[in-house]
Amino acid sequence: DQQVKQNSPSLSVQEGRISILNCDYTNSMFDYFLWYKKYPAEGPTFLISISSIKDKNEDGRFTVFLNKSAKHLSLHIVPSQPGDSAVYFCAAKKGGSNYKLTFGKGTLLTVNP
Amino acid sequence: EADIYQTPRYLVIGTGKKITLECSQTMGHDKMYWYQQDPGMELHLIHYSYGVNSTEKGDLSSESTVSRIRTEHFPLTLESARPSHTSQYLCASLGGVGETQYFGPGTRLLVL
Repeated sequence: DQQVKQNSPSLSVQEGRISILNCDYTNSMFDYFLWYKKYPAEGPTFLISISSIKDKNEDGRFTVFLNKSAKHLSLHIVPSQPGDSAVYFCAAKKGGSNYKLTFGKGTLLTVNP
Repeated sequence: EADIYQTPRYLVIGTGKKITLECSQTMGHDKMYWYQQDPGMELHLIHYSYGVNSTEKGDLSSESTVSRIRTEHFPLTLESARPSHTSQYLCASLGGVGETQYFGPGTRLLVL
């Protein structure tokens, strides 16, 4: 039973346009969410995170939006660059002293020049 | 951001061999993790440790074992490698007051 779902296996956008990657979760105990970027044969790189007490967090070209009632979060990349082409993983953490992450299957983003 | 190192980066080995994947971090983080990831799939937690002499099995059952004798070192061992163990193995650590796990570069294991 997947608790974190990334329903789009892939996404293709043009350079300069907005990339929107989506993530849904089922466990209402999750209170912290993270996005990671991963290139083939490398480890995931942390991008941005958001606490459940917020609905938006921004860092440069990256913005994460959280809709708790819908159990949905999204990552916006504006403007998209070819170097953003990678697999993006959504991850979630339960509250309290649980320090384990639950990951989605990832979305492959391709930014075309 | 944590400095996490994993060796080897790539390993091709025959069935039945014993292997140890190394993971070390220089930030003094207490919490460390091992994940297994196959292409197109999510990262699955197979082991974690919250400090020296503390190890726990993760959400995905694994035939591997881990040890945590020193804070900075969290090696993973397979006593007898099999083709089903072929995967990418990722080590991560978490420290301080943050909630973010930082990953090493990973080890790609191929068992023939």
